[in-house]
Amino acid sequence: EVQLVESGGGLVQPGGSLRLSCVASGFTFSDYWMGWVRQAPGKGLEWVANINQDGSAKYYIDSVKGRFTISRDNAQNSLFLQMNSLRAEDTAVYYCAIAATGRGGFDLWGQGTPVTVSS
Amino acid sequence: DAVLTQSPLSLPVTLGQPASISCTSSQSLVHTDGNTYLNWFLQRPGQSPRRLLYRVSNRDSGVPDRFSGSGSGTDFTLKISRVEAEDVGVYYCMQGIHWPWTFGPGTKVEIE
Repeated sequence: EVQLVESGGGLVQPGGSLRLSCVASGFTFSDYWMGWVRQAPGKGLEWVANINQDGSAKYYIDSVKGRFTISRDNAQNSLFLQMNSLRAEDTAVYYCAIAATGRGGFDLWGQGTPVTVSS
Repeated sequence: DAVLTQSPLSLPVTLGQPASISCTSSQSLVHTDGNTYLNWFLQRPGQSPRRLLYRVSNRDSGVPDRFSGSGSGTDFTLKISRVEAEDVGVYYCMQGIHWPWTFGPGTKVEIE
């Protein structure tokens, strides 16, 4: 069974940092693009970042460029999102997802991990 | 950025009746490879999103055939032939051709 399990969310003060993790199982992790999508409370979906199979290509939404870094460890079947200089507007549930069909969006999503940025 | 608009934003439906959601993009979603990268997702209450359709009209595994997609260029439609109770939730269109990838605002489908 294909599974994505996120962790690392929590409450952090503005300007703080968090590192989200996503452990994948049930498929050959290193074969696929992966990404992060977030959803602010009561709001819609917002794509955050994507990374290609070997980590050599990364794309970000403008609002997180220079603050967030997406990375992966194929040996550990893990995806990461390092989030620095966090702002209140980064408060959201963060989903890890597989982009197996490339530009077809995300084939499968994790259950999400909540991030709250507040003093 | 490619802005996606959806209509309606709220859709009361009757069980067993058809339903339709429109998605319009501010830019063409036709790639130079000939494919059109418009995808549809459903987020049921309290759940993670799941993809229903990719590249306009291709149903994901396990998606009932009452769901269909159509359209080209900048205008697309998701149709449900006969709404069932499990179809309640928020439907999002999403484009994967232009960076940043963008989602529509969502259409909330509720049973009347």
